[in-house]
Order: sequence, then structure tokens, then C-alpha cells
Amino acid sequence: DAGVIQSPRHEVTEMGQEVTLRCKPISGHDYLFWYRQTMMRGLELLIYFNNNVPIDDSGMPEDRFSAKMPNASFSTLKIQPSEPRDSAVYFCASTHANTGELFFGEGSRLTVL
Amino acid sequence: SQKIEQNSEALNIQEGKTATLTCNYTNYSPAYLQWYRQDPGRGPVFLLLIRENEKEKRKERLKVTFDTTLKQSLFHITASQPADSATYLCALSPSAGNNRKLIWGLGTSLAVNP
Repeated sequence: DAGVIQSPRHEVTEMGQEVTLRCKPISGHDYLFWYRQTMMRGLELLIYFNNNVPIDDSGMPEDRFSAKMPNASFSTLKIQPSEPRDSAVYFCASTHANTGELFFGEGSRLTVL
Repeated sequence: SQKIEQNSEALNIQEGKTATLTCNYTNYSPAYLQWYRQDPGRGPVFLLLIRENEKEKRKERLKVTFDTTLKQSLFHITASQPADSATYLCALSPSAGNNRKLIWGLGTSLAVNP
């Protein structure tokens, strides 16, 4: 299995622009998570899905952030409009119901100028 | 307030020695606790999971202990190697009923010197 696949690996954009991050979870996994990692705050859970349904989005910072999972093999995290404080590494992770272990992608490093 | 803390200072040890990393938490009754390894520019990689009713778990050169009275987990790497150099993250599941929302420590950086 190729593991969790994220794209893009790096994104540099200007304040106010829309950013879309993409994730393909491991086949057969029924949970998908979006995390944000910064030096100061570490890993923060933004939202997670179970069987493509959003279960908890309480970590989404504000209305500028949205996430979708249209099918079991694809999810997006969108930031519109982006701000410099959104600069971070965004990770997608997946797992299946009978384990607590998370499988992370390699992350998308976002820089908002 | 609820907190999870790891050694903030980097740990430097000599090859062959045992590295011991600490994860302390307050105001949680976790269902389980996990340890991950993260290399620069990479995503975290799962190492071990220990449940609240387990005292110790081992995997090859790795050992994790979980003391719910002290509210502490210790992570040991025996016979350490330079390849073990990385940041190690602990994460806990705050409660049995909501165990998909892991709470993460900031990580401890380990450097194993040859």
C-alpha cells in the first residue's frame, strides 16, 4: 500500500488566496483526520471523518476553514481566504475502526505571505 | 486545566545507552496512550500503544510504561543507535468514549551520538 498520500507537499501563497489541500487515505480505512502542526502548538486536530461523515469539527479555527470527504478515497481541506497565521504543516491521517494507531501522510507545508 | 507535557529540552545520549523519554499529563483519565516518531519533514510514525490497564509494553528495543497513578508514561529505547535520532511524540486518548480525539505533546528531540 502506498500509505496516506497528500498534495501538494509545499504551497506558498499570498494572503487572501484560496488554498486547497488534498488527501487520499489508505484503502479500507474508515476514519480520516486533518491535523495542523506548528512549533508552538504542536499537533492540533482540526476535523475527523468516519465513513465519509464529519464527526467532530470543533478544532476548525474559523469559518475560513472547510473540509469535505466526497468519497472513501479522497478528502480536501480548504482555506479561504488564507492568512499568514495559517502557515503551518497540515497532516492527513487515516485509520480503521478496530485500532487506535494513526497512519499519517507526509504533510503539506503551507506558507502564506 | 488539561495538559500533556514532554521534556522540552533535547535529549543527547551516547550510542549504546538507554534513552528514556517522559510524558506527563494532568486532568485526564486516558483510555490509552501512544508514542510516535517524527523525522524532519515527515509525518509521525506510530511506534507503540499502551492501554490504561497495561503497565508495560515492549517492541524490539522499545519499551513503554504507563502509570495512571503518577499520570506518566515513560518511553525507553535500549541499545540506542544514531538512527534513533528523531522527535518522539506522545498522544493520549482523553477518555474511553471519545478516543478518536487524541491530545498530543509537543515532542522531545532525541540525538544519539556515535
